[in-house]
Amino acid sequence: AIRMTQSPSSFSASTGDRVTITCRASQGISSYLAWYQQKPGKAPKLLIYAASTLQSGVPSRFSGSGSGTDFTLTISCLQSEDFATYYCQQYYSYPQTFGQGTKLEIK
Amino acid sequence: QVTLRESGPALVKPTQTLTLTCTFSGFSLSTSGMCVSWIRQPPGKALEWLALIDWDDDKYYSTSLKTRLTISKDTSKNQVVLTMTNMDPVDTATYYCARSRIAAAGNDAFDIWGQGTMVTVSS
Repeated sequence: AIRMTQSPSSFSASTGDRVTITCRASQGISSYLAWYQQKPGKAPKLLIYAASTLQSGVPSRFSGSGSGTDFTLTISCLQSEDFATYYCQQYYSYPQTFGQGTKLEIK
Repeated sequence: QVTLRESGPALVKPTQTLTLTCTFSGFSLSTSGMCVSWIRQPPGKALEWLALIDWDDDKYYSTSLKTRLTISKDTSKNQVVLTMTNMDPVDTATYYCARSRIAAAGNDAFDIWGQGTMVTVSS
């Protein structure tokens, strides 16, 4: 199985900050990568697919980049509603796999 | 509007078999490219993909759980069923179903999720 490793596992930031979360795949996955946002007690929400395509309705402050094994999720100007846990997921091959999550907390 | 909803028992005993049903609307699993997956999340832990079934009745499973899982569909009822045998307390989790699609370029992400159903394994 392809292992997905996110960094950092958690960190604190302030409203208005620019933040970047990294996801690394244990082998090449082309651009078959998605990012999800999950808030406590809620189902994950798709933010980005195909590594860099913004899902409909997602604010443009979210962006994704990368291909192959290294990917990033950037939030350009943190809003209060962005404090959540973020997961990357590869759908290049089965079994599909998720990263361990990055918890973004208010500083 | 596409929706999915999970249903099943909230509590199962160790060694029992869990049966979960995902009832969906707004799309058909007989439409080329449509897929439904099951994903779970133990309390405070990460998401874990379990299984996927596609419109053509192809099935894919988690490597570590494949001997315990069976996924099936009833297209006429717009339902996907997951059974997991020999339940253990470590299987305590919220179980989600989610939709994805397969295009010419390959798989796609999970664009719509159900709200999840919490399953506790305890005697």
